[in-house]
Amino acid sequence: EAGVAQSPRYKIIEKRQSVAFWCNPISGHATLYWYQQILGQGPKLLIQFQNNGVVDDSQLPKDRFSAERLKGVDSTLKIQPAKLEDSAVYLCASSLAPQSYEQYFGPGTRLTVT
Amino acid sequence: DQQVKQNSPSLSVQEGRISILNCDYTNSMFDYFLWYKKYPAEGPTFLISISSIKDKNEDGRFTVFLNKSAKHLSLHIVPSQPGDSAVYFCAASVEGAQKLVFGQGTRLTINP
Repeated sequence: EAGVAQSPRYKIIEKRQSVAFWCNPISGHATLYWYQQILGQGPKLLIQFQNNGVVDDSQLPKDRFSAERLKGVDSTLKIQPAKLEDSAVYLCASSLAPQSYEQYFGPGTRLTVT
Repeated sequence: DQQVKQNSPSLSVQEGRISILNCDYTNSMFDYFLWYKKYPAEGPTFLISISSIKDKNEDGRFTVFLNKSAKHLSLHIVPSQPGDSAVYFCAASVEGAQKLVFGQGTRLTINP
């Protein structure tokens, strides 16, 4: 079974530029999550999708972050414009919710904003 | 507001001995708890979980203990192996929410 795929793996941009991350979840997983993990901290949920609907985006900085999940499969997370404090690893995860609490994570995208 | 806390940033254990990783939580609505393991440049991988209706769950070398009155859980690894060296995250969820709240992580190093 293929795992969660993410791209790119690494990205370096200057502040005020825009960036987009892509995620392909495990086939059949209805729920998709985007997390932000700042160095030395645990992952923090940004947004949760159930199929192509948003379940929770309470911690998404909506003035600069946006996410979509077209057709309930792939998802993109965008930051525009980026700030220095957005430097982090962005993790995508999927789960067979609501049957399971277990989430399966992709390798993440390491973003550096200079 | 850190609802899930792992107060030890790092832990070093001799190979073959027991590793004990600790986690505390503040939200009494949490009813499901998970441990994830993370290697460098990889995403976290699920290790073991426990429901609030239990106080212990075992899977091979890994055992998780839950003390609801103290709002504390721990992960025991016996015997510890070099491949166990990784960052371990504790996570908690409220029933029906599927949303996980993670602790800061503990870096475990197993010394040969």
